[in-house]
This record gives sequence, structure tokens and C-alpha cells, in this order.
Amino acid sequence: AQRVTQPEKLLSVFKGAPVELKCNYSYSGSPELFWYVQYSRQRLQLLLRHISRESIKGFTADLNKGETSFHLKKPFAQEEDSAMYYCALSAWGGSNYKLTFGKGTLLTVNP
Amino acid sequence: KAGVTQTPRYLIKTRGQQVTLSCSPISGHRSVSWYQQTPGQGLQFLFEYFSETQRNKGNFPGRFSGRQFSNSRSEMNVSTLELGDSALYLCASSPGRMNTEAFFGQGTRLTVV
Repeated sequence: AQRVTQPEKLLSVFKGAPVELKCNYSYSGSPELFWYVQYSRQRLQLLLRHISRESIKGFTADLNKGETSFHLKKPFAQEEDSAMYYCALSAWGGSNYKLTFGKGTLLTVNP
Repeated sequence: KAGVTQTPRYLIKTRGQQVTLSCSPISGHRSVSWYQQTPGQGLQFLFEYFSETQRNKGNFPGRFSGRQFSNSRSEMNVSTLELGDSALYLCASSPGRMNTEAFFGQGTRLTVV
């Protein structure tokens, strides 16, 4: 069975500081990994996916298969980055692909 | 392109009642998934429908059920409501392939009193 673990429920940093949101997964095959973000009073939306290897809003995430991790990083946090972040894994769930989410990390960027 | 629409946005029900939530996916999307979001448990997968068939199911009791219609619209039903069912219920639609983005609705906030 697939599982996603986000060890930090809360993360608080100051504006301009680097930020790293941790994500570890367990899955025996080759999963697809995503980061979703939910800003205050907005719907959950895709931030980035590992397959596209792109940087969105200054965020990057590298899939480390050896450590089964997909940590989200940004070198200089901004106040508008304050949001709930969810790591997600898409993998075969028995009869179709299933998207499994971690419990989320609430990031607060202080001025 | 219209986004995922969930109705109603808010519901208040009493224990023991049943409730039906509705989700209209993005046009052309055949996969609809439902999630329960709570502060303590985060996002928990309920079930997923693809072309009117339930393809995956999470670890929820049988009181939670759903269905999908031929136009891909989906409904979720919860019977014999319990206080612990109070949550934000999110619907997500996607084309249904592995690495495609899931688009979420605004959710239905269910409060059981």
C-alpha cells in the first residue's frame, strides 16, 4: 500500500529565509509525486509535479528514490507563500491509479 | 473552462440523518474522487469513480457511498450521520491517467449536530 508522510504539521519561518517542507513516501513501484497547495479561502491546487522538473513560484522539489523523499524547497520564503501544503503520490491502487495525500504542513511566513 | 463545482457549499444536519453531496467535474474529465478533510486527519481518500464505476475505495465505513452518472457528475451519500462526520468534503476531477493533475472543487462543509 502507498503512504505519504509529512512529519511537520506546522512550519514557521521569517520572510527571506530558506524553507524546506519534508515529504517521505512508501511505495514498492515507481510513483508519481506531486505537491498541492491550499491558500487561505482558496481551493486546493497543484503546485508542481516531479515529472515536469519545473520551478513554480520559486519552489522546487527533487525526487530522491534512495531516500524515498520528495521535499519541497524555496531559497527565500515570501509572506504570500503562507498556506497549507500537501505532498501527494499517484500510484496503482488495485484497479486504477489512486492519489494519496500526506496530512499536510501549514507554512507560515512571518514578516 | 468551468471548474469543479460542488453543491451545496454548506450543510447542517443532525445525527442519524443522511446527506447527499453533489460534484460536477470539469467537462471531459471522466475520473471523480472524493476526499474528507479534517484538521486532525488531513485529506483522506474516500473513493474514486471512472466511467460510472467505482475504481478505488478508501477505509471508510459502508455508511459512505457514492455513484457516478453517465455525464460524469458524481454524488456522495452519507447515511446515519455521526458527529465525527463533520468535515469538509472535497471532490476532484481529472482525465483519469496516472500523472495528470487533479482539479479540486471548493468543497462542501458538513456540520453534524
